[in-house]
Amino acid sequence: EAGVTQFPSHSVIEKGQTVTLRCDPISGHDNLYWYRRVMGKEIKFLLHFVKESKQDESGMPNNRFLAERTGGTYSTLKVQPAELEDSGVYFCASSPGSTRIQETQYFGPGTRLLVL
Amino acid sequence: GENVEQHPSTLSVQEGDSAVIKCTYSDSASNYFPWYKQELGKGPQLIIDIRSNVGEKKDQRIAVTLNKTAKHFSLHITETQPEDSAVYFCAASISSGSARQLTFGSGTQLTVLP
Repeated sequence: EAGVTQFPSHSVIEKGQTVTLRCDPISGHDNLYWYRRVMGKEIKFLLHFVKESKQDESGMPNNRFLAERTGGTYSTLKVQPAELEDSGVYFCASSPGSTRIQETQYFGPGTRLLVL
Repeated sequence: GENVEQHPSTLSVQEGDSAVIKCTYSDSASNYFPWYKQELGKGPQLIIDIRSNVGEKKDQRIAVTLNKTAKHFSLHITETQPEDSAVYFCAASISSGSARQLTFGSGTQLTVLP
């Protein structure tokens, strides 16, 4: 079974540009999460999808970040315009069901974003 | 909201020795505590987890203990091997309704010296 995949693995952009990150969860997983780790600090929650619906977006830092999950399959996270402080590693995770108790979240390898 | 503190930030042990990483959490409603291992260039991988109705859980060389009263939990790795070298993250979560987000500690860089 394929794990969570993320694309691209690395991205280097200039301040003010736009970047779109993609996450493909494990097939059949309803729950999809975005997290990020900035400057070697803790991994912080950004948002949670259940199928195509945003269940919790309390961790989104500001309106420069837009996440979508059309059709309830893969998800994209767009940063527009990117700022220096957006640099970090963006992780996607998925878990199976939408109504069960807390389940294991399976993480992807991350996208390393550097904003210059 | 939940806050998780993790110590130490770095830990070096000799191969064969034990390693202990400790975490404390702030929200008494947290009831799920996973530990993740992150190797260089890879994403975090779950190594063990514990729920609040259990005080201890063991899986081969890895064990986790939970003290709900004191709001702290620990990861114990025995007979460490060089391949145990990685960054370890603890996390806490409230499994209630739709809430599922994990709150992570800041990570511990474990180095096992041969």
